[in-house]
Amino acid sequence: QQQVKQSPQSLIVQKGGISIINCAYENTAFDYFPWYQQFPGKGPALLIAIRPDVSEKKEGRFTISFNKSAKQFSLHIMDSQPGDSATYFCAASMLSGGYNKLIFGAGTRLAVHP
Amino acid sequence: DAGVTQSPTHLIKTRGQQVTLRCSPISGHKSVSWYQQVLGQGPQFIFQYYEKEERGRGNFPDRFSARQFPNYSSELNVNALLLGDSALYLCASSWGVNTEAFFGQGTRLTVV
Repeated sequence: QQQVKQSPQSLIVQKGGISIINCAYENTAFDYFPWYQQFPGKGPALLIAIRPDVSEKKEGRFTISFNKSAKQFSLHIMDSQPGDSATYFCAASMLSGGYNKLIFGAGTRLAVHP
Repeated sequence: DAGVTQSPTHLIKTRGQQVTLRCSPISGHKSVSWYQQVLGQGPQFIFQYYEKEERGRGNFPDRFSARQFPNYSSELNVNALLLGDSALYLCASSWGVNTEAFFGQGTRLTVV
């Protein structure tokens, strides 16, 4: 119940295209869903996050779509650029037992070809 | 403002040795969490500290310990290193226990 399942494992997109990464969770107590971007040799950088009281959040070219009933959420990267080539992680968390831990998906390696 | 800073960036240790990793959170942030990221996987939660107290611990052996200092910086200690401890160790800083977490660049630990 603590798992977050992420797909696809890898993704190749042409420059200007739309990249879509999907995540699913089981625990309905999760109340915070962030996406992180990680470049090789670097730590994850917070991209965008959503709470389950909204169905969509957009920041620039990045959009999270959230489907509470299906227990799924996705990241859409519009007008994908070669600089977006990185590994993307979805995560979920909740406050439980007085602490909060992020549970990460396995990651999606995105390659944007020029 | 400086982000989360971790030191050292890289470290090579021998099996059985002990290691200490350090983290300075973003100014004003009172919570530090530690994560282990094995190559090709997502980060795994080790500890969360808030106001110098351990708030939570992940599924890691007692060889792993941590502490948080009055200035909110933190250290992660790992004793009796195993080859399987080789990973990127990440520190995450947040203002509170249940707020956005920002990661440092990590410490790459290699155990030989």
